[in-house]
Amino acid sequence: QVQLVQSGAEVKKPGASVKVSCKASGYTFTSYTMHWVRQAPGQRLEWMGWINGNTKYSQTFQGRVTITRDTSASTAYMELSSLSSEDTAVYYCARQSMAGIPGDYWGQGTLVTVSS
Amino acid sequence: QSALTQPASVSGSPGQSITISCTGTSSDVGGYNYVSWYQQHPGKAPKLMIHDVSNRPSGVSNRFSGSKSGNTASLTISGLQAEDEADYYCSSYTSSSTYVFGTGAKVTVL
Repeated sequence: QVQLVQSGAEVKKPGASVKVSCKASGYTFTSYTMHWVRQAPGQRLEWMGWINGNTKYSQTFQGRVTITRDTSASTAYMELSSLSSEDTAVYYCARQSMAGIPGDYWGQGTLVTVSS
Repeated sequence: QSALTQPASVSGSPGQSITISCTGTSSDVGGYNYVSWYQQHPGKAPKLMIHDVSNRPSGVSNRFSGSKSGNTASLTISGLQAEDEADYYCSSYTSSSTYVFGTGAKVTVL
């Protein structure tokens, strides 16, 4: 069965970077696009970017976010730099189906807390 | 890219039908039939309920239906049940090859 398992919670100081991982299993990793979405406490979902053989980022995060993948490990990564308290959020990875449907499967979420 | 506009809250009694709107522009909702709807219970990851405007994934109740007219998409929940109480988000593909989510709507079952 399809599973997306994300790395554990992180606490970072302002100005630092964070890298969240998303390990996929149960399907052919390289055949699917992976999205990253975040949700600040009590706030809406916010799309950050996607990766397949290419990447595309939201203008909101352009220049601060880098999405990569290790196909040998079936793992996608999202790195966010120059963190501020406003980046405190739960970060999700979400698979896009082969039919182009975003979010058919989601990771469990990773809480990133930015605090001095 | 501005968020798609949804009502902050929608409520209904058990058994009733409710409709949640999602308004965008011709560069997103109005330009593509790539609108999805997600249900999110507190502390949980979102769950896909509708894709491509009106298609239900396998396993999703047929009480959930979607439609679109111009720049506004809609999600209708019929025969409202207590378990439907959750936050609902729309999402659309955009002309920039990106995606955008809605502001989110909290559904309350009275």
